[in-house]
Amino acid sequence: DAKTTQPPSMDCAEGRAANLPCNHSTISGNEYVYWYRQIHSQGPQYIIHGLKNNETNEMASLIITEDRKSSTLILPHATLRDTAVYYCIVRVVANNAGNMLTFGGGTRLMVKP
Amino acid sequence: NAGVTQTPKFRILKIGQSMTLQCTQDMNHNYMYWYRQDPGMGLKLIYYSVGAGITDKGEVPNGYNVSRSTTEDFPLRLELAAPSQTSVYFCASSYPMGGRSGNTIYFGEGSWLTVV
Repeated sequence: DAKTTQPPSMDCAEGRAANLPCNHSTISGNEYVYWYRQIHSQGPQYIIHGLKNNETNEMASLIITEDRKSSTLILPHATLRDTAVYYCIVRVVANNAGNMLTFGGGTRLMVKP
Repeated sequence: NAGVTQTPKFRILKIGQSMTLQCTQDMNHNYMYWYRQDPGMGLKLIYYSVGAGITDKGEVPNGYNVSRSTTEDFPLRLELAAPSQTSVYFCASSYPMGGRSGNTIYFGEGSWLTVV
C-alpha cells in the first residue's frame, strides 16, 4: 500500500490560495489520490480525487505530478471555514473489497484573518 | 436525505460494560465502514462490509464485533469495554469502486465514547 507524507501543519492568510503538498512516492499505477478534510469535531468530508490528470471542482483543484509521486491540493481563496485537518490518501484495495481508505496524520491548515 | 446517521452521539461506559453503536445510511450504498479516531490522530479502520451478510476485519478489530443484516444498517458492538476503547467512532458508507468513479465515502458525524 502506498503511504503518504504531509507536513503536520500550515498557515494561510484569508483570501489567499492554500497549497497543501503530499508525497506518495510509492504509489502504484492504478491507485487514486484522494483528499478529505475534517473540520473540528465533524466527520471527514470528501474534497477531490484524481488518478493522473489535474482535477478541479467547486471546492478545490488537485495537481498531480507527471510521475505521480506527489500532488498538491489547492484551495484558491481560503476562508476561515477552511480551517481543518486535510488528509491526502492513496486508495487501498484489499481482496476485491472496494474502496477502503487509510488515513494518516494529515495537515492541520489554519486560515488566519 | 439524511446520509449516514450514527447514534448515540455521546456515551460514557464503565469498564466491562457492553454497548452497540448504531449506524444507518439511506443512500443504498453497498459498502459500509467503522473507523475510530483517537485524539490528535488519523482514522483507523475497525471493520468493513461489502454488502448484507458480509463483514471483514480492518486494521484494529480487537474488542469489537459487527453485523450487516440489511443494506442500511451496520451496528458496531463493544463487548467488555476497556479504557483503550475511549475514542471517537465514525461510521461511513460508499458505492463500490468502479472505473473512474473513484467513489466518495460519506461519513457520519461521529460517536464520542468514554470508558471509565
